[in-house]
Amino acid sequence: EVQLVESGGGSVQPGGSLRLSCAASGFTFSNYWMHWVRQAPGKGLVWVSRISSDGSTTNYADSVKGRFTISRDNAKNTLYLQMNSLRAEDTAVYYCARDGRFLDRGAFDIWGQGTMVTVSS
Amino acid sequence: DIVMTQSPDSLAVSLGERATISCKSSQSVLYSSNNKNYLAWYQQKPGQPPKLLIYWASTRESGVPDRFSGSGSGTDFTLTISSLQAEDVAVYYCQQYYSTPYNFGQGTKLEIK
Repeated sequence: EVQLVESGGGSVQPGGSLRLSCAASGFTFSNYWMHWVRQAPGKGLVWVSRISSDGSTTNYADSVKGRFTISRDNAKNTLYLQMNSLRAEDTAVYYCARDGRFLDRGAFDIWGQGTMVTVSS
Repeated sequence: DIVMTQSPDSLAVSLGERATISCKSSQSVLYSSNNKNYLAWYQQKPGQPPKLLIYWASTRESGVPDRFSGSGSGTDFTLTISSLQAEDVAVYYCQQYYSTPYNFGQGTKLEIK
């Protein structure tokens, strides 16, 4: 079964750090670009970051640039999001998503269940 | 950045009736070299992650019922549910994947009238 499972969320004080993980299974992880998308409570979807299949290319939303770092370990089939200098406005459910371009879809065809990050004092 | 604007923000439709959601992009998402519109539609039910419904503006994802259809090109797109079922109650999002940031529309909440 094709699956993405996020972990690493939790509560943290403003200025703190967290590292999210996304474990992939059921497909050849190293073939796919991957993304992080977040959703604040009761709000819409916001794209956060993407990484190429080999990890050589990364892009970020302006709101997280310089604070968040996306990375991957293809040997471990795992995607990461290192989040530093966290702010209250980073509070959200964080989803990892697979980019379907390898299958000529382009859109985000597989999503994890999400992990909640709460930034509060 | 490409801004995505959906309308309406919410919609109430009777069971069996047609539901139509509009999505407009601030610039074209049609890539001329392959003539594809880099536009997707997602469905999100409460407590669940989004689910891909439509990609390339009009291609239905495998397993998605054929009552869902996407249309449009360039900057104007539409998601149509031809005959609303109870299980279609959800929030629907469009998204452009033409250029980063891959922005989503604000969402349209679909309810039963």
